[in-house]
Formats: sequence, C-alpha cells, structure tokens
Amino acid sequence: DGGITQSPKYLFRKEGQNVTLSCEQNLNHDAMYWYRQDPGQGLRLIYYSQIVNDFQKGDIAEGYSVSREKKESFPLTVTSAQKNPTAFYLCASSTTTGGIHEQYFGPGTRLTVT
Amino acid sequence: GQQVMQIPQYQHVQEGEDFTTYCNSSTTLSNIQWYKQRPGGHPVFLIQLVKSGEVKKQKRLTFQFGEAKKNSSLHITATQTTDVGTYFCAGDGYNKLIFGAGTRLAVHP
Repeated sequence: DGGITQSPKYLFRKEGQNVTLSCEQNLNHDAMYWYRQDPGQGLRLIYYSQIVNDFQKGDIAEGYSVSREKKESFPLTVTSAQKNPTAFYLCASSTTTGGIHEQYFGPGTRLTVT
Repeated sequence: GQQVMQIPQYQHVQEGEDFTTYCNSSTTLSNIQWYKQRPGGHPVFLIQLVKSGEVKKQKRLTFQFGEAKKNSSLHITATQTTDVGTYFCAGDGYNKLIFGAGTRLAVHP
C-alpha cells in the first residue's frame, strides 16, 4: 500500500525544546516538501528537496532544519529558534519526471508548543 | 517573487447553488494544479491544466485555464454537502508549487 506517512498525528512540546517530525514515503518519488498551515490559512513552503543529500529553503525556513539522507525520508526539525511553532505541518512528495508533478500529501502532524 | 492570488477567501452557499473560485498569477504559468482539502484532512490533487484556454470537467466540477495562462477558475455546479472544504490552486514555480491561499467552501443543507 503506497503512500506518505507522518508521525505522530499530534505532538505536544514545551517551549525551548527542539522537536523532529517524521515523513516517510514509499512512492519512489525524488522530490519531497514540507509545508506549514495555520488555522484558516494556505500552505507555506518550509523546505524542499529534489534529490537525496540536497535540499533548498522555502519561504519560511527560519527556525527549521531538514535532512535528506535517504530517498524515502525527509524529517523536519522545529528548533527552539522558531518563534511561533504551533501549527499543522504537512509533508508531500512528487515525481520529477513525466508530465504531471502532482504532490501527494501525508496526513499531517499537529504540533502544539506551550 | 511569483505570487498566486485566490478569491474569494470564503464562501457560504446553500446546497444546490453553484460555486466558483478564481486564481490569478503575477506571472505566466506553465501549468496550474487544483487541490481540495477536507476539514481536518490533507490536500488531495484534483487536476492539472497545461494548455492555454484549456477546460476540463470532472462530474460537477469544471476547471478553466485562461488564454494568457495567468488565471484559472474552478466552478462547481449544484453544490452538495460533500463539496465542503478548502480549494487551492497552485502554480508551477521552479521545482516547487506556489499555492494560493485557498477558498473555503461551506455548504448549508
């Protein structure tokens, strides 16, 4: 059963702690993405990666870090430097070949920092 | 930088009424994609438009891409309660998508 998994679904942390969100895909996609969504808002791109061992900053990368050591995995770390980390985090992947590069999204992780 | 604007931000309709959301880009797009996000869920791909003036239909949904490839629309005929959610357009940026802010659709039975 192919798809993208994100864990956990809900995550609670104290202010000042780093937290890592998991994203795994078995779709054999080269590209992976991290988005942040605030209530009633659109999707803002945090980081993206087109290939293993390479990634680029999106529009709101400050306070976040990523790694892409394996094709299947693209974990996101929310650091204590992120001023307002409470949000819904969505991971997505897509192929980079062929005509349609639709993005497949995971179920998301709701992070609450108090 | 490249921007994609989407209007309206929010729309209430009675079940059976039609609904349209509009998307405008600051630059010419090579293609545009549409996604739907149900409340509490994640975005799901609906369609991609590539050609100037292209019109595609999926049952009660009609998607259009403007002649200049800078705007697009999604029209839903005779809305149903299952249409509830947020509809996003996304333009093709370099190795990434530029999402509009979305239109949230509420359907009252």
